[in-house]
Amino acid sequence: AQSVTQLGSHVSVSEGALVLLRCNYSSSVPPYLFWYVQYPNQGLQLLLKYTTGATLVKGINGFEAEFKKSETSFHLTKPSAHMSDAAEYFCAVSDRDSNYQLIWGAGTKLIIKP
Amino acid sequence: EPEVTQTPSHQVTQMGQEVILRCVPISNHLYFYWYRQILGQKVEFLVSFYNNEISEKSEIFDDQFSVERPDGSNFTLKIRSTKLEDSAMYFCASSARGSQPQHFGDGTRLSIL
Repeated sequence: AQSVTQLGSHVSVSEGALVLLRCNYSSSVPPYLFWYVQYPNQGLQLLLKYTTGATLVKGINGFEAEFKKSETSFHLTKPSAHMSDAAEYFCAVSDRDSNYQLIWGAGTKLIIKP
Repeated sequence: EPEVTQTPSHQVTQMGQEVILRCVPISNHLYFYWYRQILGQKVEFLVSFYNNEISEKSEIFDDQFSVERPDGSNFTLKIRSTKLEDSAMYFCASSARGSQPQHFGDGTRLSIL
């Protein structure tokens, strides 16, 4: 069975600092991995995805993530945080065996300090 | 950019009543999903729908729930005889193919009194 673990329910960084949001997954078959962002009172917006190919994937708003199979990780990074990045971030995994249903992490709330 | 739309944005219903949550997926998408998020908890998968039938459902999706695609555009989630614990944010999503990213609506906040 698949599962997703996001380390840290809240992460606080200063504006301009590196953002690192951690995601580890378990899956018995090759996974598809996603990061979604949720701004207050809004829906879930896709940030980036990994399906096959290059393990370093770039997304919107300057975010990127690296798929590391040996570590079963898909951590999200951004070199320099902006105030507008304050939101909740969700990591999710799916695979063909489960008909592509998304299994979600608990989410990490990113707080940006001025 | 095409988007998934959900109505209503907020639904308040008495316990025991039936509710229908509506979604209009992106027009050329073939796979449709419902998820829910109880306040303070993880997003949970409810059901996926493809080729006019349910392709996968979770343990949450019991006989109280049903989905339908009554015409070429709408995708609905019906909850019969609602319970207090059905209070949650319900998200609809669609994708062009199963392996493609799912695009989400803004959600319907369901409050059961």
